[in-house]
Formats: sequence, structure tokens, C-alpha cells
Amino acid sequence: QLQLQESGPGLVKPSETLSLTCTVSGGSISSNSFYWGWIRQPPGKGLEWIGSIYYSGRNHYNPSLKSRITMSVDTSKNQFSLKLSSVTAADTAVYYCARRDFWFDFWGQGTLVTVSS
Amino acid sequence: QPVLTQPPSASASLGASVTLTCTLSSGYSDYTVDWYQQRPREGPRFVMRVGTGGIVGSKGDGIPDRFSVLGSGLNRYLTIKNIQEEDESDYHCGADHGSGNNFVVFGGGTKLTVL
Repeated sequence: QLQLQESGPGLVKPSETLSLTCTVSGGSISSNSFYWGWIRQPPGKGLEWIGSIYYSGRNHYNPSLKSRITMSVDTSKNQFSLKLSSVTAADTAVYYCARRDFWFDFWGQGTLVTVSS
Repeated sequence: QPVLTQPPSASASLGASVTLTCTLSSGYSDYTVDWYQQRPREGPRFVMRVGTGGIVGSKGDGIPDRFSVLGSGLNRYLTIKNIQEEDESDYHCGADHGSGNNFVVFGGGTKLTVL
């Protein structure tokens, strides 16, 4: 069974860069059938798609966040990563990684990132 | 890009039925929508995709037959029959858009309370 696990700091200071990694187990990130995505959920709010990346590095970012996002893939470690720069309190959220086939079919459990000084 | 609108809350009694609605913005009546269930303190899980012709593809793993979908005009519906306690969740709808359908937008989610 495919499993995804987010990891990274739970606290980030304003104006700094948020960095998260998603480790995939039970399947290869290099499969040519899937994109790998990041989705976030601010406390008490709905889901927001951040972006998706293919194993080759081809990516698609949410236009509202595009100027601050960098996503990457490390096929040797079966991981993909998210960097979000110049964070503010509005970026406080639970961050999920997920596999995207035609839809997001496997999700991680999520990790809470709080932006605070 | 489409905007997806969901009522913030819904409720139903144990054993009853409930229909949740996701409404696409004008001009997007041919779009499919994906439903996701999110139980308290868990990550979302895929329920099923719906278009105007009904379900598209197959249900997500472990989704019971009590869950069904319909689509009409700009509305995409998720119906749950014989509601159980474990159905109490947030339900989110999402849609692909843009070049190659590689961009995703979500609705605000509906919190379903089982009475």
C-alpha cells in the first residue's frame, strides 16, 4: 500500500522560508503515471492546492502562490519537496502531500506548520 | 478558473439520508468534480468523481455503496444514505482546470454533523 509522510519544521519565523519533504513508500515516485502534489489547509478552513510536480521536474503551481513556491523531486530518495518563501501568518496551515492520478488518490497524514516569531 | 461553492454545514440523523452540494461557477457546467471525505484529525480521502452523467471512474478504496453522486447543470451532488456515525466528516469538492487539467481548485468544504 502506498504511503506518504510529510516532514519538516513545525515552526517558521515570518519572512523566512518554509521547507517540507514528502517521503513516498510502497511505490516509486518515478512512475510515469502520476503527479505528486502539495495541498494545505489553514485552521478551520478549506483545502488549497499549492502545486504538483512530475518525477521529471515538470511542475504546475497555484498562480496565487507561484512567485513564492519551489517544488523539487529526489528520485534517489523517493521524495519530493516544497519550499515556500517569505512566509507570513497567513501561511499557517496543515500541509499535506498527495499522489495525483486523475485525482488525489493517496494522501499523507499532514503536518502543521505555524508561522510565528 | 472555476469557483466551487459549498454550504459550510449540514446535518442528518443517524440512519437518514443527506445530499451535499457543490456548485460550479457560471460557464463551467461541463466540468467534473471530485469529492473528498476528511474525518476529524485525519487527512482527506478520495470518495468519487462526478460529472453531469454521474460517477466518472470508480469509487475510492473502502467507500461504501451508501455513497452515490449525481450531476445536474452547475451542481454536483454527493448523497449518503443510512448515515452512520463514521460519516461525520468534512466533505470537500475539487475540480481540475487549466492547460492539461493540471491545475486544481477546491471548494470551502461542508461539515457534516450526524445527530
